[in-house]
Amino acid sequence: GENVEQHPSTLSVQEGDSAVIKCTYSDSASNYFPWYKQELGKRPQLIIDIRSNVGEKKDQRIAVTLNKTAKHFSLHITETQPEDSAVYFCAATDRNNFNKFYFGSGTKLNVKP
Amino acid sequence: DGGITQSPKYLFRKEGQNVTLSCEQNLNHDAMYWYRQDPGQGLRLIYYSQIVNDFQKGDIAEGYSVSREKKESFPLTVTSAQKNPTAFYLCASSRRQGTFYEQYFGPGTRLTVT
Repeated sequence: GENVEQHPSTLSVQEGDSAVIKCTYSDSASNYFPWYKQELGKRPQLIIDIRSNVGEKKDQRIAVTLNKTAKHFSLHITETQPEDSAVYFCAATDRNNFNKFYFGSGTKLNVKP
Repeated sequence: DGGITQSPKYLFRKEGQNVTLSCEQNLNHDAMYWYRQDPGQGLRLIYYSQIVNDFQKGDIAEGYSVSREKKESFPLTVTSAQKNPTAFYLCASSRRQGTFYEQYFGPGTRLTVT
């Protein structure tokens, strides 16, 4: 099955700086890549996603880029705020079942005020 | 998403007992999932179901069982065969958006077995 690797495992930035989280995937047939934000003790929330026919997608301070050739995708958060502090997970879909997801191990982002 | 509910929020059991975790959704989503989350780790798929009366094993199905008798409900039973059942359990459902599926999570159940 698909293998998704996520880096770094922890990331600490100063408020107002940018944060970048990277994921790689193994199966070139994966075609959908969502990102989730999980605050402590809460459920993961879908924050942005990208599909394999798109190279970049933005939503206010959040953007995701996809490089299909290199099989990696990244989450970019600009002008970080303390409320961005959380664990972020990337995911990719299974090649045979677009309804099945493989998750990265998560990145704990700490935004220091 | 508020349309996916899990109960209870916290659950305590003695070793050797089976326990069933509830998951309900009113979003009319076809697919439902169960994940396990351990501290500092990602989400590991236990079981998933794409339609009623059908389900498939995920990566860590041993010691777990599920049923899908209704579209809205996907209960997970943690059996005494599960060697390390203490974890945070997340239920999810997904909706189809063209050829893609967007997945949404319930609030989770934290199970502690002693």
